[in-house]
Amino acid sequence: EAQVTQNPRYLITVTGKKLTVTCSQNMNHEYMSWYRQDPGLGLRQIYYSMNVEVTDKGDVPEGYKVSRKEKRNFPLILESPSPNQTSLYFCASSTNTGELFFGEGSRLTVL
Amino acid sequence: SQQGEEDPQALSIQEGENATMNCSYKTSINNLQWYRQNSGRGLVHLILIRSNEREKHSGRLRVTLDTSKKSSSLLITASRAADTASYFCAPHDYKLSFGAGTTVTVRA
Repeated sequence: EAQVTQNPRYLITVTGKKLTVTCSQNMNHEYMSWYRQDPGLGLRQIYYSMNVEVTDKGDVPEGYKVSRKEKRNFPLILESPSPNQTSLYFCASSTNTGELFFGEGSRLTVL
Repeated sequence: SQQGEEDPQALSIQEGENATMNCSYKTSINNLQWYRQNSGRGLVHLILIRSNEREKHSGRLRVTLDTSKKSSSLLITASRAADTASYFCAPHDYKLSFGAGTTVTVRA
């Protein structure tokens, strides 16, 4: 089954404790992306990757890092999380036409 | 990139009625896509309309695109309770961007 898998789905952490949200897709897509969703603000892009070892900033990259060492994986790293990074995070991968396939989301709370 | 801006922000209709929502965007696009999100879940792709297309249908969905007005509409006909969700348009220039969406509630 074609899917994008994110882990963890839910996480409560404390300020400053590094965390990684993993994302994996099984559709051999070249393009992958991370979004955060906050009430009233819609989805905002954090980082995206056009292919292995090619990543670029989206609209709200501050406080986040990504890596793309393999085609299927695109982890999101929060080196020193802060409360304003409390959000619902989505990973997505894309076909050549730009149709996005989304994961089920990771709800992060930073205390 | 550019965000699509959906209108209205929220819509409440009776089961069986049609739901129409609109999207405006700012610059030239390759295509425009519509997505649905059930509460707190991942977005699901509904339909893609290319910049050289004016109308497209998929089941009970009808999408129009007017590139001269930089606008699109999504019509859901004969709505069902399962259509209760948030709907997002996503203009695609060199990447997709999303607005805040239209929240549709279908009352039984």
